[in-house]
Amino acid sequence: QQQVKQSPQSLIVQKGGISIINCAYENTAFDYFPWYQQFPGKGPALLIAIRPDVSEKKEGRFTISFNKSAKQFSLHIMDSQPGDSATYFCAARTTGNQFYFGTGTSLTVIP
Amino acid sequence: DARVTQTPRHKVTEMGQEVTMRCQPILGHNTVFWYRQTMMQGLELLAYFRNRAPLDDSGMPKDRFSAEMPDATLATLKIQPSEPRDSAVYFCASGLSSLGRAYEQYFGPGTRLTVT
Repeated sequence: QQQVKQSPQSLIVQKGGISIINCAYENTAFDYFPWYQQFPGKGPALLIAIRPDVSEKKEGRFTISFNKSAKQFSLHIMDSQPGDSATYFCAARTTGNQFYFGTGTSLTVIP
Repeated sequence: DARVTQTPRHKVTEMGQEVTMRCQPILGHNTVFWYRQTMMQGLELLAYFRNRAPLDDSGMPKDRFSAEMPDATLATLKIQPSEPRDSAVYFCASGLSSLGRAYEQYFGPGTRLTVT
């Protein structure tokens, strides 16, 4: 059973556009929600993270929106660039320090 | 430039052989995670150590997989005997746990395992 559901599976965006990736969860024991970026042949790298007591967090062109009541969170990439083309994973951590990952979204930004 | 290192980067082996993957966490980090990544299942947590003690290995097939931390600078993941369904990329990640909570994880480059 997938603890964190991620969509879409793939996304194509024009350069300068907004990329939006969504994740949903059911486990109310999750208390930390990171997003990771992975390039081919590399390990995932932490991009941005949020705790459930905050509804939004912004770092540069990357923003997490968090809706605790709906148990949903999303990553917005503003002014998307070709260099942002990668696979993005959302994740959630339990109070027991177990991390569960979404299935990933392959983002392609077209010049 | 502190980073997690993993060896080997690639491993091709025949079914039934023993496979050992090694990970050197970032110096000073006290938590180590092992993950397996496949196209079908995505990233799955196999095991989690804090201060070298195994805290959670519920994601690991116990009959053939084992994970250890002989010392603070080395974590190992062993598969014996290996099977074709074990073919995947295995990632090690390390982090610093404060007050019992692990936050940021730094992933290594992974070991791509192919079992024929």
